[in-house]
Parts: sequence; structure tokens; C-alpha cells
Amino acid sequence: QEHLQESGPGLVKPSETLSLTCSVSSGSISNTNYYWGWIRHPPGKGLEWIGSIYYSGETYYNPSLKSRVTMSLDTSKNQFSLKLRSVTAADTAQYFCASSTRYTILYWGLGTLVTVSS
Amino acid sequence: DIQMTQSPSSLSASVGDRVTITCRASENIRRYLNWYQHTPGKAPKVLIFGASTLHSGVPSRFSGSGSGTDFTLTISSLQPEDFATYYCQQSYDTPPGTFGQGTKLEIK
Repeated sequence: QEHLQESGPGLVKPSETLSLTCSVSSGSISNTNYYWGWIRHPPGKGLEWIGSIYYSGETYYNPSLKSRVTMSLDTSKNQFSLKLRSVTAADTAQYFCASSTRYTILYWGLGTLVTVSS
Repeated sequence: DIQMTQSPSSLSASVGDRVTITCRASENIRRYLNWYQHTPGKAPKVLIFGASTLHSGVPSRFSGSGSGTDFTLTISSLQPEDFATYYCQQSYDTPPGTFGQGTKLEIK
């Protein structure tokens, strides 16, 4: 079973870049069976898929966020990362990292709350 | 872009009730449909994948059906631990992709 843990600042200023890292244990991000992704849960709203990245570096982004999102892998540290540019208060959310097959999210981190405020 | 629409957005029910939640895709997604349960303060967990296959360890009171654009999640006899928010998710065009807006299941 994969274990994932998010890390990063809990507070980001408007217009700046949100940066989060997910550390993966009990498995390798080079595993060809898995995709690595980010999902967020804004307060009072539903889950929103942000995007996924494959071991090859191929990325898939939610069209509504695509212009502001970059995901990347660091195989030396067994981590993957999310950058979300030009944030606003609407980006305040619990951010989860997760691992999935091509079709189903199987393992989730516990999530980290990111607040956008000056 | 494929849009997912769930109904109802909220539902009140009692322990022992049978409840059904529906999910509609904006285009044909065949059977690439998952259901997740999310309890506040916890990570979501998958209940059903491939529209109707129960994930390992999920109680048999949960079932899923449908294909194409219309799908349902049924809980045959609600238990106290089932009061949560349920989400459908399509995985037809992206790995895996967009969620429905959620159905909050509350105790009556």
C-alpha cells in the first residue's frame, strides 16, 4: 500500500504561486502502473481534480486550471510536486495528493490546508 | 470536457434505509465511472470502480450500476458510518478525471 504525505506552506498571498510536494513511501514514483495526482477540496464545495502526472512526465490537467498548473516529478527524492500560479482566495482548499491507476484513485494523502490571504 | 452531474446534492435518510444516488455524464463514458466516499477530516476512499465493481474491503451493501451516461450508487441498508459525502468520477478521457459535485448524505 502506498503512503503519501503532502508538504508545503499553509498560507500563500494572492497573486503568488502555491507550491506543494508529495512524498511517496512504500513504492516508487517510477512504477509504470501508477499515475500521481492532486485533488483539492475547497471549503463548502466538492472535490476538484487538479491533474495527474505519469512516470514518463506526461501530464494531464483539469481544463479549468490548466493555464496556471504545473506538475513535476523528482525521482531522486521519490516525490512529485504541484505549482499553481496567480492564486486567489478561490484557491483556498484542502489539497490532497494521490496515486491512481489509469482509471481509479487508490491511495490518498491526509491532505494539507492551504489558505490564500494577504 | 466531460461534465459530471450528481443528484440529489443532499439527502436525508435513516439507518436501515435504502438510498440511491445518480450521476450523469455529459457524454458517453462507457463504464469508466468510480464512486468515492468522503468523511470530514479523512481522506476519500474508493467504493466502486468500473461502474459496478466493489473495491476490496467495501461492504456488500454498496452497489453500482449503469453505463454510457447514466449511473447509480445504491446503499441497500444505511449504517451509521455511511453518513458522508459521495462523489462520482469519470476516468474516460483523463487518468483519472473530473468529479461530480457530490451528494451529502445526512441523518434524518
